[in-house]
Amino acid sequence: DAKTTQPNSMESNEEEPVHLPCNHSTISGTDYIHWYRQLPSQGPEYVIHGLTSNVNNRMASLAIAEDRKSSTLILHRATLRDAAVYYCILTSPDQTGANNLFFGTGTRLTVIP
Amino acid sequence: ETGVTQSPTHLIKTRGQQVTLRCSSQSGHNTVSWYQQALGQGPQFIFQYYREEENGRGNFPPRFSGLQFPNYSSELNVNALELDDSALYLCASSLGQRTGELFFGEGSRLTVL
Repeated sequence: DAKTTQPNSMESNEEEPVHLPCNHSTISGTDYIHWYRQLPSQGPEYVIHGLTSNVNNRMASLAIAEDRKSSTLILHRATLRDAAVYYCILTSPDQTGANNLFFGTGTRLTVIP
Repeated sequence: ETGVTQSPTHLIKTRGQQVTLRCSSQSGHNTVSWYQQALGQGPQFIFQYYREEENGRGNFPPRFSGLQFPNYSSELNVNALELDDSALYLCASSLGQRTGELFFGEGSRLTVL
């Protein structure tokens, strides 16, 4: 499994932007980059995914480096509800059972009021 | 809301017993995956079911087994419970076996004494 590296924890002030980094130097050409988050006492929640181009949705933006060896999840204005563990995950849609997501330990985001 | 529901939400068993956990997938989703999340860790993939057949399995022993029914709901069975089986068990559904976009339930918390 291609693995990712994330900082264990980050802090952000409320209503400020947050940039959550992820390194994935062994990514293959067909791997997608997925981000999930897990709020306290809940199951993981899909946030965003991309392949090569930057992506935006109502929750966040995903910036992917040109060489695809790293990516950044951007929360444009952090709220207290964004306090969660964020997981950066590589998926291989070419493989059967590709929903086998390797979560790792993620980045715990603390939002300071 | 994700639409994925799991039952029971909490249960306590003793070593050697057997447990069955249940999951109703989101409407229209034909693929179900199960994950185990130990305290302080990220979720770990147990197995995936697509069209009522297991088509992907993580590093879990055969005493972890499952079923998927024609309505796409699913069960996770664990035999001969061990103390280390204490964890949050998460069910996730998806439209297709290779999307990487999973919708998780809130989990069943199992305590083995």
